[in-house]
Amino acid sequence: EPEVTQTPSHQVTQMGQEVILRCVPISNHLYFYWYRQILGQKVEFLVSFYNNEISEKSEIFDDQFSVERPDGSNFTLKIRSTKLEDSAMYFCASSPAGLDTGELFFGEGSRLTVL
Amino acid sequence: SQKIEQNSEALNIQEGKTATLTCNYTNYSPAYLQWYRQDPGRGPVFLLLIRENEKEKRKERLKVTFDTTLKQSLFHITASQPADSATYLCALAVNSGYALNFGKGTSLLVTP
Repeated sequence: EPEVTQTPSHQVTQMGQEVILRCVPISNHLYFYWYRQILGQKVEFLVSFYNNEISEKSEIFDDQFSVERPDGSNFTLKIRSTKLEDSAMYFCASSPAGLDTGELFFGEGSRLTVL
Repeated sequence: SQKIEQNSEALNIQEGKTATLTCNYTNYSPAYLQWYRQDPGRGPVFLLLIRENEKEKRKERLKVTFDTTLKQSLFHITASQPADSATYLCALAVNSGYALNFGKGTSLLVTP
């Protein structure tokens, strides 16, 4: 069964360092998303991406965050200068069509620890 | 501001009983609502989508209701099993329709 894959599964970084989280969405999906979940808290929306541009972003997704789809398969989240509060599980998700017609397919997440 | 509220306390039930989880929302005008399951350390997994014109939706042992007047959805698991133990998330679309917002979830524990 097709699945969303994310790498790395766990990354430890020093505060102020740049981090890139990578995702391979399901191949025929058109919409891509990043969410994060701080330990013990809810799954929070960061950004959605469609037709090679950001379609929606939350207040969390400030200038230190960026997303890119550098080729036909990868979807990346970059955090330019990490802060302690960026420590969280980051989930990539994709969907084949608009959300009114179906579901989000989530990856298993990348755990980011900022020291 | 928009809010999605789910029972913050864990729900403990005995195997075989029906579990009922509640999702209330404010300042949304949803055309649909989704429910997901999340196991510890893993990504959410889609369970059901119910539209505003559907009062009830079923899938195997799962049943969801959606009352747009009460601004509430109920999620039922009948004949619950220990394998149903997980956190269940309610989700609504943001105004643009390009993303889902999730509630904090309700933790369900089914004991033998």
